[in-house]
Formats: sequence, C-alpha cells, structure tokens
Amino acid sequence: GAVVSQHPSWVICKSGTSVKIECRSLDFQATTMFWYRQFPKQSLMLMATSNEGSKATYEQGVEKDKFLINHASLTLSTLTVTSAHPEDSSFYICSAMAGTLNTEAFFGQGTRLTVV
Amino acid sequence: QKEVEQNSGPLSVPEGAIASLNCTYSDRGSQSFFWYRQYSGKSPELIMSIYSNGDKEDGRFTAQLNKASQYVSLLIRDSQPSDSATYLCAVNTDKLIFGTGTRLQVFP
Repeated sequence: GAVVSQHPSWVICKSGTSVKIECRSLDFQATTMFWYRQFPKQSLMLMATSNEGSKATYEQGVEKDKFLINHASLTLSTLTVTSAHPEDSSFYICSAMAGTLNTEAFFGQGTRLTVV
Repeated sequence: QKEVEQNSGPLSVPEGAIASLNCTYSDRGSQSFFWYRQYSGKSPELIMSIYSNGDKEDGRFTAQLNKASQYVSLLIRDSQPSDSATYLCAVNTDKLIFGTGTRLQVFP
C-alpha cells in the first residue's frame, strides 16, 4: 500500500503550549486527508477532513481554533494543537487518500500526545 | 443511530477456524467500504476494500457487501493467533467514518 508518514510519533508538552503534528504522503498525492483522535480502548473519532488548498471541515464538537489544520500541498497536512491541556492527551492519527470515491485511505503511524 | 455499527466483541475463535466480522451502516449513499486491522497502540492497517455488491477475496480474507441490507462483513479463514487484533469497519461517503471495532481473539 501507499506510504503515509506522520511525525512526531510521540510528544510530551507542558500545559498551555502548542504542538504541531505533520502528515506526509510519500508516494502519492493526497487530495484528501483526515485527522482522527483515539482515546484508549475507543474507536477513531474523526476530527476534521481537509482538502488541499481549502479550509478544513471540522466535525461537530471539534474546536477549529484549538485544532488548526493546514493542508498546504498535495503531500502535507499539519495539525496544531494550540494551548494544549491534559484532556487533549490522546493518540492522533492522520490518513490520506489520493481521490474521493472508491479510493483507499492509508494511515500514518500516529502521534501519542501527552500534555503534563 | 450510529453511522457505522459493529459488535465490540470480543469474538473468540480457535486457531484454524473461520472468524466472521459484521458491520452495518446507515447512509444508503455510501460508496466505498473498508476493513482495517488495528493492533494495540498502533495505527490502523488496511486489509480490504470493497466497492460493489458481492464477495471479494484476498488470500485468507473475504469481504462481502450487500448494499440493499447496508451490510458489510469480513471472513478470515484459517485464523491464526497473529490475527488477534481489533478490526475496524470504515465507510466513505464524503468522509471516512469508522465503527467502534470488533476485538478478535484467536486462541491456539
């Protein structure tokens, strides 16, 4: 399958600081990228959908000013968690698709964020 | 009603048996359907995709889709202990939505 690289794989930050997570498609152009959050023993919760060059579409209940998503190119999307708090500690995962319908989505390795 | 529903399990099967995982979805306009496997602490890994009614086979895995019943399933033949993981059903309309996952345990 296609390769999606997510960085960093883990990060510990102090409460009140911001953290940026990068998601890169290495061998294909990702027209659509998804950002998910997963708490322990729970499923993936979609946070937002981003298309290259346009604003991200956030799911209900996800604060767009807190979780800043930028999809500036066909191979890179970033998620910035601003003013992080301990309750933001979670496993954040990106996935990327080369098209829209009938196209497979591939996942990055995930980023485990711990806010202390 | 949840958009994508799965039985959380655990589903326990003996080694060598067939494991059957099921998923229903609510949006009749859904076009693409996927099964992912997720090991604890890791990100999901794509196993199968299916886009049209019927069966699709890939090695020990068979995905089945019935759009009229809004039902997707995954069969794993000759189950191995290494297949023990959480299996996630995902449905794509204009966004990729996941079910809660079914935990599969294959015991020797």
